[in-house]
Amino acid sequence: DSGVTQTPKHLITATGQRVTLRCSPRSGDLSVYWYQQSLDQGLQFLIQYYNGEERAKGNILERFSAQQFPDLHSELNLSSLELGDSALYFCASSDRGGPDEQFFGPGTRLTVL
Amino acid sequence: GIQVEQSPPDLILQEGANSTLRCNFSDSVNNLQWFHQNPWGQLINLFYIPSGTKQNGRLSATTVATERYSLLYISSSQTTDSGVYFCAVGVWNTGNQFYFGTGTSLTVIP
Repeated sequence: DSGVTQTPKHLITATGQRVTLRCSPRSGDLSVYWYQQSLDQGLQFLIQYYNGEERAKGNILERFSAQQFPDLHSELNLSSLELGDSALYFCASSDRGGPDEQFFGPGTRLTVL
Repeated sequence: GIQVEQSPPDLILQEGANSTLRCNFSDSVNNLQWFHQNPWGQLINLFYIPSGTKQNGRLSATTVATERYSLLYISSSQTTDSGVYFCAVGVWNTGNQFYFGTGTSLTVIP
């Protein structure tokens, strides 16, 4: 157990809908990262937050947004969902904002029908 | 972004055999990690190794940052070692961009 928690574990929804994925980092960690793992694109970095502020951006679509709250938990919002958004979404955390070791949560499996 | 290549893409081993997995990356990095993704999808940290050599039981890893590669050694493999092994590299600027390789799928047969 990495100490990073993600909810829900599974999510099934329809095209055009909006969903919110939640992540709680390890105790004391200030950085949260989001990743998408799909069959065709592999594991891709989406976005990093450090202590409530956006720190780095990867291949995140405009339909997706994230935020980190004062208690350091983070949410990833996915809207206008398409079939291709079906994937495993991981959250990771690290203790600072630099090139630190990242620890991954168990993931949320999203299925868009 | 940085290109991360892993080889071999697939590997089948008899239980008890040894193996070496390789990760090449295209530019200087600040951070390198090896992960094992188990059949349930969980990403398990194996090593945080931006440079040098580390060992943890039957596993060891070496990163030669100046030559832009890292190696993961698995000795006396067990069926529980099966899964996908990922190398990921981080480039730190204002934030930490993390790039994953495509993985090595390992199957250990009894």
